[in-house]
Amino acid sequence: EVQLLESGGGLVQPGGSLRLSCAASGLTFSRTAMSWVRQAPGKGLQWVSAITGSGDITHYADSVQGRFTISRDNSENTVSLQMNSLRVDDTAVYFCALDSTSSGAYDHWGQGTLVTVSS
Amino acid sequence: QSALTQPASVSGSPGQSTTISCTGTSSDVGTYDFVSWYQQHPGSAPKLIIYAVSKRPSGVSDRFSGSKSGNTASLTVSGLQAEDEADYYCCSYASSPTSVLFGGGTKLTVL
Repeated sequence: EVQLLESGGGLVQPGGSLRLSCAASGLTFSRTAMSWVRQAPGKGLQWVSAITGSGDITHYADSVQGRFTISRDNSENTVSLQMNSLRVDDTAVYFCALDSTSSGAYDHWGQGTLVTVSS
Repeated sequence: QSALTQPASVSGSPGQSTTISCTGTSSDVGTYDFVSWYQQHPGSAPKLIIYAVSKRPSGVSDRFSGSKSGNTASLTVSGLQAEDEADYYCCSYASSPTSVLFGGGTKLTVL
């Protein structure tokens, strides 16, 4: 059974930094692209970033480009999201998600971790 | 990177059918068959219910079906049940630049 477990959320001041992690189990991790998707309180889903299985290609939403960095450690089965220059509108639940359908669909999700950016 | 367009809300009575639309552009929904749909109940993570436009993951009820025409994808929920009351999101791969787009979400109310 595939399981994803996020950690690292919390309260941070505007302009601050936070690092989220997602631990994966039950899959061949190095062959699976991983993504982060966020959901602001009471709002819809927003794709944030993705990384290929080997980690050589990354993609970012325009709203986080240059501020967030996605990375992975295939020896530890983890994917991370380093978030710098955080803004109030980055406040959201951040979900780790993966696509094992090979069709761009996220069939496994973590439970999410809450990031609150506030002074 | 504009979000896909969904109606804010739809409703239907138990046993009836309802359809949720998802409109994109020729850079996403119109070109790629990488359209998926998610169901989300309050306080829970999203659940994949349709992928590759019309495929259902194992364990998802066949009351859910998907289709696409031009730049618009659709999710149909037939035989509405109380448990179907939730938020539904469409999603598509997009190019130039490579990204993933979600719709704004549709709240389905079972009357």
